[in-house]
Amino acid sequence: GENVEQHPSTLSVQEGDSAVIKCTYSDSASNYFPWYKQELGKRPQLIIDIRSNVGEKKDQRIAVTLNKTAKHFSLHITETQPEDSAVYFCAAKDTGGFKTIFGAGTRLFVKA
Amino acid sequence: GAGVSQSPSNKVTEKGKDVELRCDPISGHTALYWYRQSLGQGLEFLIYFQGNSAPDKSGLPSDRFSAERTGGSVSTLTIQRTQQEDSAVYLCASSPRWGTSRVNEQFFGPGTRLTVL
Repeated sequence: GENVEQHPSTLSVQEGDSAVIKCTYSDSASNYFPWYKQELGKRPQLIIDIRSNVGEKKDQRIAVTLNKTAKHFSLHITETQPEDSAVYFCAAKDTGGFKTIFGAGTRLFVKA
Repeated sequence: GAGVSQSPSNKVTEKGKDVELRCDPISGHTALYWYRQSLGQGLEFLIYFQGNSAPDKSGLPSDRFSAERTGGSVSTLTIQRTQQEDSAVYLCASSPRWGTSRVNEQFFGPGTRLTVL
């Protein structure tokens, strides 16, 4: 069945450093790749997404890259801040359907 | 406008009892999802509803779990004969109708924390 693998499961960086989280997906029909951020005790919220017709998208300090041939996509956070500490989930979806497959999550710690 | 709401926020029950969890999606959203999140774990898909179509129940872990969505709006997730391993946060999410700009985005509720003693 469809599967999304996410690495690493835990990531610790120093404030100001960059953080990279990587995901691979199995369903070649997937064409929409969102990233959700879940702060401690809060609900997941969409922070950025990318569609398969583009290779990269940037929004201030966060960017997402997609390699559709390799079925890889990554989240890049630059100049990390303590408030970036959270669990980040990648996901993959075929926009022709409604089912979204989530990765297992990455717990990011940003040390001040 | 109002976001997705869920009730109760916390539920403590005894093993073997039935529980009902409620989700109120954003008004006008046609898709509704239920997920389970065990402590420190990812989002486990349970079920989704899309309009009046038959729901996708492929993620329900056992026949003790069922869900309904009445009138295309409010949904109830029912767990019968609860077990300790059912303890988790149950998250509901909704998505807008086809043709809108955010049709693929899921808007999550705050979750219901279920503890089975």
